[in-house]
Amino acid sequence: QVQLQQSGAELAKPGSSVKISCKASGYTFTSYAMHWIKQTTGQALEWTGYIAPGSGGTKYNEKFKGKATLTVDKSSSTAYMQLSSLTPVDTAVYYCARAEVPGYWRFAYWGQGTLVTVSS
Amino acid sequence: DIQMTQSPASLSTSLGETVTIDCRTSEDIYSSLAWYQQKPGNSPQLLIYDANNLADGVPSRFSGSGSGTQYSLKINSLQSEDVASYFCQQYNNYPLTFGSGTKLVIK
Repeated sequence: QVQLQQSGAELAKPGSSVKISCKASGYTFTSYAMHWIKQTTGQALEWTGYIAPGSGGTKYNEKFKGKATLTVDKSSSTAYMQLSSLTPVDTAVYYCARAEVPGYWRFAYWGQGTLVTVSS
Repeated sequence: DIQMTQSPASLSTSLGETVTIDCRTSEDIYSSLAWYQQKPGNSPQLLIYDANNLADGVPSRFSGSGSGTQYSLKINSLQSEDVASYFCQQYNNYPLTFGSGTKLVIK
């Protein structure tokens, strides 16, 4: 079965960077784009962008360009999102998610989420 | 960006009742709309896709409807396990956008 296993919670200082991971299993990693979604404590959900593991191609929400960098390691079926120049507004739970059908971006599979807390 | 206006923000109702949650989009999304349920501490779970198709394993008391810019999620015969937050999401245009959520509680 499809599983997306995310890395653990991060506590980071303002101005620093964090890199969170999402290890995929149960399917061919290179066949499905991996999306990343931010959820703040107020519950709002924001789509950050996606990466196509097969090609490395990316598409970002303009709002997160310069903030998020998406990469993959095909050898370990792991997707990564690096968040840079952190500020308290980056404090959120970040999910990786995969669609059921490529190109139809409704998400049938989600990781368990990674809490990133930015605080001095 | 397509703006998603979801209402109500919260809903208090009784077991066995029927509830409806609405989602209005700022432009036509041609039924490219999904609904998710999120229970406290959990990831969102896909309920409905393409506005009115039930995702695998979702009880039939959930249904979706709508077209153009107006969409709805209906829950019949509310059960205690339906206590959750519900979100709509459009996937017709980039960036993908979500509604602000509806928190459903039992009276």
